[in-house]
Amino acid sequence: NAGVTQTPKFRVLKTGQSMTLLCAQDMNHEYMYWYRQDPGMGLRLIHYSVGEGTTAKGEVPDGYNVSRLKKQNFLLGLESAAPSQTSVYFCASSLRGAVPEQYFGPGTRLTVT
Amino acid sequence: QQPVQSPQAVILREGEDAVINCSSSKALYSVHWYRQKHGEAPVFLMILLKGGEQKGHEKISASFNEKKQQSSLYLTASQLSYSGTYFCGGFPNDYKLSFGAGTTVTVRA
Repeated sequence: NAGVTQTPKFRVLKTGQSMTLLCAQDMNHEYMYWYRQDPGMGLRLIHYSVGEGTTAKGEVPDGYNVSRLKKQNFLLGLESAAPSQTSVYFCASSLRGAVPEQYFGPGTRLTVT
Repeated sequence: QQPVQSPQAVILREGEDAVINCSSSKALYSVHWYRQKHGEAPVFLMILLKGGEQKGHEKISASFNEKKQQSSLYLTASQLSYSGTYFCGGFPNDYKLSFGAGTTVTVRA
């Protein structure tokens, strides 16, 4: 099993450009999450999904959109990148919500200039 | 709101003990603990459910005081491999895990 994978690993964008981050999991997990991690801020939830075809907002959803068309994939989109979106993005998945652990992907380091 | 962790950082010598605290203003269904090494993804350590269960992982254990909505992580006889940033995560409902800002642990020989 590959677990949780993220594509790409690194990306540099110019302000105003758009991009999509891809998260894939092969564990048949129902729940998937997108977090961003900034120095001293810990992990903050951007959006999450509790099943195929569902999405919901987390703590910091502004400027991002997501889609979960297939159970194994969770896409995070930036329509018009801003320097404030420079961060490390982690995807995670879990079998259900509160009880099983979350498995994290390796992260995507995004720089917006 | 995010859970509040303390201390922000701790430096230990090998073999010393440490306690990391995590408190929430919301009632939690469960508390998660994760450890992250520099440049890597967070890795799961343990889950505590409401009911005060105490779980263990190697020489790392944790407790959850449901009445106070506080969890503590105990690092016993620390090893060099324990270095990293420890995050607590609280589940106020079944969907969203809210993480604390993290506690950086440095273990020196």
